[in-house]
Formats: sequence, structure tokens, C-alpha cells
Amino acid sequence: EPEVTQTPSHQVTQMGQEVILRCVPISNHLYFYWYRQILGQKVEFLVSFYNNEISEKSEIFDDQFSVERPDGSNFTLKIRSTKLEDSAMYFCASSYKPVTQYFGPGTRLTVL
Amino acid sequence: DQQVKQNSPSLSVQEGRISILNCDYTNSMFDYFLWYKKYPAEGPTFLISISSIKDKNEDGRFTVFLNKSAKHLSLHIVPSQPGDSAVYFCAAKETNRDDKIIFGKGTRLHILP
Repeated sequence: EPEVTQTPSHQVTQMGQEVILRCVPISNHLYFYWYRQILGQKVEFLVSFYNNEISEKSEIFDDQFSVERPDGSNFTLKIRSTKLEDSAMYFCASSYKPVTQYFGPGTRLTVL
Repeated sequence: DQQVKQNSPSLSVQEGRISILNCDYTNSMFDYFLWYKKYPAEGPTFLISISSIKDKNEDGRFTVFLNKSAKHLSLHIVPSQPGDSAVYFCAAKETNRDDKIIFGKGTRLHILP
């Protein structure tokens, strides 16, 4: 069964460094998303991406964040200058139609 | 700003019995509700959903009930099995905002032998 994959599974970085989290969505999906979950808290929507542009973003998704679909298969989340509070699990999701989204296993980001 | 509330952080149920997970919401613009299940070290997995025009949706052992007037929904699992032990997230979306799903904090379900 097709699935969303994410790399790396765990990323450790120093505060102020840039990180890129990578996702390979399910191949025929058209909608792409990033969510995050800070330890012990709820899953929070960050951004959705459709037709090569951002369709919706939350207040969390500020200028430090950007997303890209550089080729036909990858979907990336870049954090330009990481802060301690960016430490979280980051989940990529994709869907063929909106709403019923399929999630990847997540990348644990630890900012030191 | 908790638009989707799951007030029970955890729930323990005997194997074979019914598990009932509850969810309340505050946003009257929500028109579609979903339940996701999450195992440790995995992403959330879609389980079942319901549109606001319905009050019940059933899929095998899983049934979701929606009470719009009370802004309440529940997920029933019958009979509960050991593999059902996981964190269950209630989620919702607003009318005409298909992209953004708002999650609750989750309820950890333990199925006891």
C-alpha cells in the first residue's frame, strides 16, 4: 500500500541553524501538508500546498518557514533559523482530494 | 484556543468491551469531522469520518456519532481489541476550508487483557 515517507526520522540541530525536512507524498496525491506536534500537545496545522502554491497557512507558519516541491516527488519544509521552541515532531501529509489526509511517520526535530 | 476538545487524556477498557471516546467542539462552522489513530513513532492514521449532515457513520467495529446541537461527537469501538491501544485524535474542518484540519489533543486508549 502506498505511503508517505519522511526523512530524516530524527534531526538534531543547533539554535539558529537552518533545517530542511523532507517528505515524499503518495504519488498521485495533489494536496500536501505539514503539521507539527510539540511533545504532549496536540497536532497543529502548519501549511497546505496545492498546485505549486501555499493554499492555507497557520499563524505558526511565519517568515522562518517555507515549503517547496522542488521536483515531482519531494515536498520539503525549511526552517531558516531554528529556535528552541521549534523542537517537535513534524508530520507531512498528502491527499488526492482535500480532507482525508494520509500522514507520514514524522521527523523528530530537536533544537539545542 | 481549543476549538476541538478531548477532555479525557486517557481511557482504559477491557478487551471485548465497548470503547467510547468523546470529543466536543466550539466552532459552528465545522462541517466535517474525522477520527485519527496514532501509534508511537508513527504518524496519525485516518480511521473514520462523518459529515455534519449525518448523525452516524459506521465502518466495521467503528461507529462515529454526531450530535450537532450539543456540538459533540463520539467514537465507539466494539468489540475492543488489543491492537486498538493507541492515541485517538478527533479532528474537524470548517465549511469551505478543506485544507486545514484542526485536531484535538488526543485520548490515549489502553485495552486491558
